[in-house]
Amino acid sequence: GQQVMQIPQYQHVQEGEDFTTYCNSSTTLSNIQWYKQRPGGHPVFLIQLVKSGEVKKQKRLTFQFGEAKKNSSLHITATQTTDVGTYFCAGGFWGAGNMLTFGGGTRLMVKP
Amino acid sequence: DADVTQTPRNRITKTGKRIMLECSQTKGHDRMYWYRQDPGLGLQLIYYSFDVKDINKGEISDGYSVSRQAQAKFSLSLESAIPNQTALYFCATMAGATGELFFGEGSRLTVL
Repeated sequence: GQQVMQIPQYQHVQEGEDFTTYCNSSTTLSNIQWYKQRPGGHPVFLIQLVKSGEVKKQKRLTFQFGEAKKNSSLHITATQTTDVGTYFCAGGFWGAGNMLTFGGGTRLMVKP
Repeated sequence: DADVTQTPRNRITKTGKRIMLECSQTKGHDRMYWYRQDPGLGLQLIYYSFDVKDINKGEISDGYSVSRQAQAKFSLSLESAIPNQTALYFCATMAGATGELFFGEGSRLTVL
C-alpha cells in the first residue's frame, strides 16, 4: 500500500533552537497536509500544500513541498514551549480520492 | 461545543465484549472517517464514509464494523473486542472544498 515515512520519530530541543521534521513518499503525492497534536489532544490541521516546490509560512513555521512532490518538510524557527506536540504529515495520492495516508508523526519536546 | 463529538471518551472493557464508539458532527460535512492511533504508528484509517449510502473499508478494517445512521452520525463497533484493539480512536470529518480533516476529541479504549 501507499506509505508516507516521517522522521525523526522524536526530537528534543532546547527552547530557542530550530526544529525540522521530514516526510517522504516513494510515489508522487497529489497534496500534503500537516497536523499538530498537542499532548492529550486531537490532531489539528495546520496547512495544505499542493504545488510542486511550494513554500508556505505561518509565523515561525515554514512548510515546503518538494519539486517532485514526493517529500515535504516542516521547519520551526526558534522553538517555544508552546510548540510541544506531535506533528503529522498526511499525503494524498492520485486516484485515491480524498484519502490521506498519515506519517508516523514526530514528537517534539522543548526544554525551557 | 465541539463540532465533532465522540462518546465515550474513555472506556475499559473485557475481551469478547461488544463495544460501540459514537461520533456526531455539526459541521454539515458528508465525509466521515474513523482512525486508530497507536504510539509511533500515526493514524491508521479503519473505515470511511462519503455519504449515508457509501461506506468503505480502510487500511485496518478487520475486527471492526461501522454504521452511518445519518449525515451527522457515524458509529464504530468492535463486535468482539480483543486486547490488541486497545488504542485511541478518532472520528473525523472532511471539508469537501479544502480536504481539511476535523477531528473529534478521541475515544480511549482499553481491552483487558
